[in-house]
Amino acid sequence: GQQLNQSPQSMFIQEGEDVSMNCTSSSIFNTWLWYKQEPGEGPVLLIALYKAGELTSNGRLTAQFGITRKDSFLNISASIPSDVGIYFCAGQLGNAGNMLTFGGGTRLMVKP
Amino acid sequence: AAGVIQSPRHLIKEKRETATLKCYPIPRHDTVYWYQQGPGQDPQFLISFYEKMQSDKGSIPDRFSAQQFSDYHSELNMSSLELGDSALYFCASSHENTIYFGEGSWLTVV
Repeated sequence: GQQLNQSPQSMFIQEGEDVSMNCTSSSIFNTWLWYKQEPGEGPVLLIALYKAGELTSNGRLTAQFGITRKDSFLNISASIPSDVGIYFCAGQLGNAGNMLTFGGGTRLMVKP
Repeated sequence: AAGVIQSPRHLIKEKRETATLKCYPIPRHDTVYWYQQGPGQDPQFLISFYEKMQSDKGSIPDRFSAQQFSDYHSELNMSSLELGDSALYFCASSHENTIYFGEGSWLTVV
């Protein structure tokens, strides 16, 4: 089946630094989604990408849908302590109802 | 804004018992997904429904079944529970390809 490789697995950064994480796949996706999850809670949608090459921002977050449709990155600028959490990329191929495949997650820790 | 509602939030069951989780999608969302997440794991896809019909199927055990009802809410039925079924179960809903998750239902099997 489809697999997503997400890196890095964890990051420990200083407040104010920029963060970059990415996902790569052996297969193409039609949709890339980025989520943030905090312990015991559901994944919260951050950014949704629908077209190859698309670059979308949401506040301090920027994500891009790779041209090959096999990769995506998420950047967080000027990190703050509340950015702490696990960030997941997820890809979907096909129509509504098709499974969403998750990456392994990037655990972000921010030192004040 | 209305979100995906899951109930119960927490559930404790004994081995071999049965559990039912409910999911109420965001209004006007026609697609529901179920995921299972173990400690320290990424969410694993179980099953999905589009317009009340099963759409896609993942690693859902035969002991589990699910359906989407006429009002678009969905239920996940889990029978003959095993210790390994202890996990956080998420429901997600979508209209087209933007997928939103609920807060999850914690199932503990003892």
